Amino acid sequence: EVQLVESGGGLVQPGGSLRLSCAASGFIFSTYTMNWVRQAPGKGLEWVSHISLSGTDTFYADSVRGRFTISRDNAKNSLFLQMNILRLDDTAVYYCAREFDGTFDVWGQGTTVTVSS
Amino acid sequence: ETVVTQSPATLSVSPGERATLSCRASQSVGTNLAWYQQKPGQVPRLLFYGASTRPTGIPARFSGGGSGTEFTLTISSLQSEDFAVYYCHQYNDWPGGTFGQGTKLEIK
Repeated sequence: EVQLVESGGGLVQPGGSLRLSCAASGFIFSTYTMNWVRQAPGKGLEWVSHISLSGTDTFYADSVRGRFTISRDNAKNSLFLQMNILRLDDTAVYYCAREFDGTFDVWGQGTTVTVSS
Repeated sequence: ETVVTQSPATLSVSPGERATLSCRASQSVGTNLAWYQQKPGQVPRLLFYGASTRPTGIPARFSGGGSGTEFTLTISSLQSEDFAVYYCHQYNDWPGGTFGQGTKLEIK
């Protein structure tokens, strides 16, 4: 079964940091580009970041560029998102998503990040 | 950035009836348009890519169409499990693209 499982979410104060992880299984992880997509409470979907097959190329939404870093470990079938200088408006469910032809065909169950003082 | 606008925000339809959801892009995205379904408390599910291509497992009562800036998602005969929020997503601006704000399909 194709599966993505996120972890690492939690409650953090403004200005703090968190590292999200996503464990992939059921497919050849190294052959797919990967993304993070988030959803603020009661809101729509927002693309956050993309990483290439090898991890060499990374892209970010303007709202997180310079604060978030995406990475991957193909040997461990894992995707990561290092989030620094967190802001109140970073509060969201963060989804790990497999990319298929520009779309997102497999999603994890999400991990909740709450930024609050 | 290409802005994606969905209409209506909420659509009330009776089971068994037909529902048509619209999505408009602020500039042409060709057919680089996807639709997702999200039920309450669940993860988004890919319904269409390439504007009209259904992934394996998506029922035939769902159909997608359009190109350029105007797109539609049609559900021919609504089943109880179809009531959800639907998002369109343009991925012509790669990577990532932009999502519409969603259309909530509710039971009338």
